[in-house]
Amino acid sequence: QQQVKQSPQSLIVQKGGISIINCAYENTAFDYFPWYQQFPGKGPALLIAIRPDVSEKKEGRFTISFNKSAKQFSLHIMDSQPGDSATYFCAARTSYDKVIFGPGTSLSVIP
Amino acid sequence: DGGITQSPKYLFRKEGQNVTLSCEQNLNHDAMYWYRQDPGQGLRLIYYSQIVNDFQKGDIAEGYSVSREKKESFPLTVTSAQKNPTAFYLCASSLRGWNEKLFFGSGTQLSVL
Repeated sequence: QQQVKQSPQSLIVQKGGISIINCAYENTAFDYFPWYQQFPGKGPALLIAIRPDVSEKKEGRFTISFNKSAKQFSLHIMDSQPGDSATYFCAARTSYDKVIFGPGTSLSVIP
Repeated sequence: DGGITQSPKYLFRKEGQNVTLSCEQNLNHDAMYWYRQDPGQGLRLIYYSQIVNDFQKGDIAEGYSVSREKKESFPLTVTSAQKNPTAFYLCASSLRGWNEKLFFGSGTQLSVL
């Protein structure tokens, strides 16, 4: 029940296209859903996050869509660029408890 | 610049050897964490510390040990009891225990000779 599932494992998108990464969870006590971006050889960095009381959050080209009833959330990257090529981790957390990470999605944006 | 410094970037361990990975932060964060990253498995929590002189086991603590004698430092020792130590190790910190934003270091790649 503590698991966060993530798909696809890898994704190839053409420059200018939309990248979509999906995550699902079971624990309804999760109350914070961050996405982390990791470049090769570096540590992850917080990209964007959402709470379950909103259905969508947008920051620049990055949007999180949240479906509380389906227990699913997704990251959309609009106008994908080669510089977006990285591994993306969704995650979930209950208040004052540990963060649970998904297995990651390797995104490659090709020119 | 404030941040988390991990060293070394690459480390090699011989059979039966203990090795220690360094993690230092100058963010004045209370909480620090160690994660292990294996391809396709995401980040798994090894140990965490919410205050100085206190730490708790995470999901995969066997074969590892830590100390938290100073707020700025949280070294991880990979002992000879860890039979499969090859992985990318990440140190992180947050302002308070399990605060919303984790700040990560650049990692240490540990390999077995």
